[in-house]
Amino acid sequence: ELKVEQNPLFLSMQEGKNYTIYCNYSTTSDRLYWYRQDPGKSLESLFVLLSNGAVKQEGRLMASLDTKARLSTLHITAAVHDLSATYFCAVYPGKGAQKLVFGQGTRLTINP
Amino acid sequence: IAGITQAPTSQILAAGRRMTLRCTQDMRHNAMYWYRQDLGLGLRLIHYSNTAGTTGKGEVPDGYSVSRANTDDFPLTLASAVPSQTSVYFCASSVSPGYGYTFGSGTRLTVV
Repeated sequence: ELKVEQNPLFLSMQEGKNYTIYCNYSTTSDRLYWYRQDPGKSLESLFVLLSNGAVKQEGRLMASLDTKARLSTLHITAAVHDLSATYFCAVYPGKGAQKLVFGQGTRLTINP
Repeated sequence: IAGITQAPTSQILAAGRRMTLRCTQDMRHNAMYWYRQDLGLGLRLIHYSNTAGTTGKGEVPDGYSVSRANTDDFPLTLASAVPSQTSVYFCASSVSPGYGYTFGSGTRLTVV
């Protein structure tokens, strides 16, 4: 059974700093998604990573996928307050799977 | 309708009452899902449907039922609400099982 773990679960950082959120998963997969959830809001799609070595960037966020290490990272560059949110990764277990498996979420707070 | 719509937005419900949460999508997605989100517990899958006419149980199906009479609608019914069903409920859809989800805006349900 696929397990997805995010690290850290809580992160408080200062504006202008860089940091990385990690998403580890337990079985082979070649499809991974990142979502963002603002407080009191729904989840919105950020990135989809479809192959080993895939890298996607939007603004100060960059996501990458290493299928051999079963690891995805979400890197935040020069954080700003607007990026405060909870970030979820979700992994496709493979052919025949009925649904994505979500990580626990990383609650990111960026302080001025 | 654009995307996926949930109703009601919020509801306070007396314990023991029956309640149906509505979910409608206009994207012709085959797969639909119901999640509940509780503080500290992340997203937990209640029920899912891979295509119209079929449904399946998720991690926490007890006390809930669903139906999928057509592609667009996926209602979630609480037959006899209990306080432990107080939560935020999200409906989601995807073009096919295991592909990226589009989430609805959520229903905040309080059972008293």
